[in-house]
Amino acid sequence: QSALTQPPSASGSPGQSVTISCTGTSSDVGGYSYVSWYQQYPGKAPKVIIYEVDKRPSGVPDRFSGSKFGNTASLTVSGLQAEDEADYYCSSYSGFNTLVFGGGTKVTVL
Amino acid sequence: QLLLQESGPGLVKPSETLSLTCTVSGGSISSDIFYWGWIRQPPGKGLEYIGTIYYTGSPYYNPSLQSRVTISVDTSRNQFSLRLMSVTAADTAVYYCARHRFYDDYGYPVNWFDPWGQGTLVTVSS
Repeated sequence: QSALTQPPSASGSPGQSVTISCTGTSSDVGGYSYVSWYQQYPGKAPKVIIYEVDKRPSGVPDRFSGSKFGNTASLTVSGLQAEDEADYYCSSYSGFNTLVFGGGTKVTVL
Repeated sequence: QLLLQESGPGLVKPSETLSLTCTVSGGSISSDIFYWGWIRQPPGKGLEYIGTIYYTGSPYYNPSLQSRVTISVDTSRNQFSLRLMSVTAADTAVYYCARHRFYDDYGYPVNWFDPWGQGTLVTVSS
């Protein structure tokens, strides 16, 4: 069971959009529509911002959106703001009552 | 507001057993729809799923840790616990507990964690 693949870093200027990929296999991302995304600030616990590929919990700005195509899920942050600078992790169900996380992506707002 | 709080020793010797407890407040651990999970994060690294338990006591584990992990639940105390045996330096991490929406009402593995505890650093060292 390998971690999902995310780019180590991504960046954008305020107001721009940034998209983070999360690549797995047909045994996890590609096989199920149950991908979630988490935002984590330094020294803090992660917080869910997307679940079931493209659903946002209440209170999460609609600047955050999720999608999936094949074995790759994506998180897009539109209209980047300084407060979006954080680490982002994806997670997918991977069968047999278990799940896997991605390695994480550090988003920098230039 | 549901709150989760991890507790336990911050230092464990190599080859010994790591034991942590998560206390749930502001809600009942005996929920029909939520599970309760453990996740860890080595310093400067990513998240790793450890396992999950339902209030009736049915646990699920990450296959890579299954031989060393036990997760249990105590509904009378509104707590669930983690035991990790035979620890090494590689088990040094911040350990988080979290409420886990593992399955939806139709049995689909929707899989998301919310909320999380603040995390507790466990260092494995002699």
